[in-house]
Amino acid sequence: EAGVVQSPRYKIIEKKQPVAFWCNPISGHNTLYWYLQNLGQGPELLIRYENEEAVDDSQLPKDRFSAERLKGVDSTLKIQPAELGDSAVYLCASSITGLQQETQYFGPGTRLLVL
Amino acid sequence: AQSVTQLDSQVPVFEEAPVELRCNYSSSVSVYLFWYVQYPNQGLQLLLKYLSGSTLVKSINGFEAEFNKSQTSFHLRKPSVHISDTAEYFCAVSANNNDMRFGAGTRLTVKP
Repeated sequence: EAGVVQSPRYKIIEKKQPVAFWCNPISGHNTLYWYLQNLGQGPELLIRYENEEAVDDSQLPKDRFSAERLKGVDSTLKIQPAELGDSAVYLCASSITGLQQETQYFGPGTRLLVL
Repeated sequence: AQSVTQLDSQVPVFEEAPVELRCNYSSSVSVYLFWYVQYPNQGLQLLLKYLSGSTLVKSINGFEAEFNKSQTSFHLRKPSVHISDTAEYFCAVSANNNDMRFGAGTRLTVKP
């Protein structure tokens, strides 16, 4: 079974440029998460989708970050314009929505460097 | 909201020695607890989890953790570590809403 797929794995851009990250969750997983992981820190949730609905985007900096999951499968996270402080690893995870806490499965992440 | 504190940012240990990675959580409601492992340039992988039932949970590669409600802890232990256990370990807590909070991580380095 394929895991969570993310692309690109690495991205280097100059500040003020736009950037986009793509995630394809595990087949059948209707919940999708985007996390931000700064160096030496644990992941922090940016947004959570259940199917195509964003059910928790309270931590997403909406002035420059946006996300979409139009068909309830794969998802795109965008930053426009990027700032130096956005340099981090962006992780995508997926799980099956259920009554009890379900295990989240993580992709390898996209490592962003903003120069 | 719940939160997690991992008390040690780095734990160096010699091969075949025992190890304990400490994790304390804070929550006003019942929680689920997790340990994830992250190898270099890889995503997080679930190591073990406590949802309910027995407070001692075990992984397939020899790690175990015990949920201690009175001490609000979920420490991770292994009686004898291998070089291949070198990685970053994250403790995480979640209430019954998929809102998972991670600790800052503990870097375990196993030396020969």
